Amino acid sequence: GQNIDQPTEMTATEGAIVQINCTYQTSGFNGLFWYQQHAGEAPTFLSYNVLDGLEEKGRFSSFLSRSKGYSYLLLKELQMKDSASYLCAVRDYNNDMRFGAGTRLTVKP
Amino acid sequence: GAGVSQSPSNKVTEKGKDVELRCDPISGHTALYWYRQSLGQGLEFLIYFQGNSAPDKSGLPSDRFSAERTGGSVSTLTIQRTQQEDSAVYLCASRRQGGTGELFFGEGSRLTVL
Repeated sequence: GQNIDQPTEMTATEGAIVQINCTYQTSGFNGLFWYQQHAGEAPTFLSYNVLDGLEEKGRFSSFLSRSKGYSYLLLKELQMKDSASYLCAVRDYNNDMRFGAGTRLTVKP
Repeated sequence: GAGVSQSPSNKVTEKGKDVELRCDPISGHTALYWYRQSLGQGLEFLIYFQGNSAPDKSGLPSDRFSAERTGGSVSTLTIQRTQQEDSAVYLCASRRQGGTGELFFGEGSRLTVL
């Protein structure tokens, strides 16, 4: 089975940097994904890590440590439109994809 | 179509009735997933289809829930004898073979059981 933990809520200021952590336990790790979900909308893909290290995509970066079962999503130069829920998801060797409960980020002026 | 299509977008039903929710994945995508999301909550895995393999049904919450995928494309999630706790948004996602394997989600079917 899988166990995925992330903080429930976070608040940050426009223009700042925020780090959203995710810890997981799984048998047969085969990739970690971050998705963004605005209220009332479907989740959309942000990033993917399968090897240890940092993946950077513009203002968003994601880090993975497989030995620690740990990932984080880093959002730089926060904008008001970044207010959303951020979902951490883990894939196993059977391609099952399980999600954490999500972190609701509020960006304040 | 260009994206994952789900219908109906909204469904209101009475307790005890059966409902069917439909998902039309992106053309060529081999894998299809169903999730349930209650208000303010994360995504709860329900079932996963991959090609012609037997589906992973380990997330279905009870035997009132079933799903099928015909011809490796369209999928139907059926909930029998609906209960109020079944009220949620039911999200379908598809994935293509290869690549990073990210999921592409439909807009969901919002089910309300009165």
